Amino acid sequence: QITLKESGPTLVKPTQTLTLTCTFSGFSGSTSGVGVGWVRQPPGKALEGLALFYRDDDKRFRPSLRSRLTITRDTSRNQVVLTMTNMDPVDTATYYCVHAPIFYEYVRGRPIPLPNVFDVWGQGTMVTVSS
Amino acid sequence: QSVLTQPASVSGSPGQSITISCTGSNRDVGTYDYVSWYQQHPGKAPKVLIYDVNKRPSGISTRVSGSKSGNTASLTISGLQAEDEADYFCCAYAGAFVIFGGGTKLTVL
Repeated sequence: QITLKESGPTLVKPTQTLTLTCTFSGFSGSTSGVGVGWVRQPPGKALEGLALFYRDDDKRFRPSLRSRLTITRDTSRNQVVLTMTNMDPVDTATYYCVHAPIFYEYVRGRPIPLPNVFDVWGQGTMVTVSS
Repeated sequence: QSVLTQPASVSGSPGQSITISCTGSNRDVGTYDYVSWYQQHPGKAPKVLIYDVNKRPSGISTRVSGSKSGNTASLTISGLQAEDEADYFCCAYAGAFVIFGGGTKLTVL
């Protein structure tokens, strides 16, 4: 059974950097083609994909936030860490860790992982940005 | 990055069927058959109902189905039940990453 659990601060000040950790179990983060990432949801609003980690040389990001986001994986601890710089009150949201199962598309004969579904979600962690 | 367009709300009576649309573009829904749908009850994490346009994960009711035509994907729930009252979000692969719809609130009358 795959489980994901988010941890991190509940309150950050504007301009600070947010660091969130997703600790997962039930699968190996080093399995080729498996993705672990982050989706957020501002209060009363829609879901927004933020970042997805496949391997060190294959990370996907929301284009509009690309410059503020970093995603890393610690395979030994079964963790994926998201950092977001220069936090603003509009970044107030529930942040979810998500699992993308193995799925590939073939581009010029090469298998490329593709996030066709987020099949398991963490419970979410609420982050408020306020001074 | 554009958001997929969904109706803000839909409603139906118990036993009826409803359909929620999700309109994108030829950069996402229209090009890739990788549309997923998520149900979210208040205060809970989203749960996948449909993936790859029309596939149901194990354990999801056969009352739920998905389809796609051109740049628009659709989620249909038949035989509405009280527990179907929730928010529904579509999601589409848009080349490298994904985009979500604005969400639809389903009310069971």
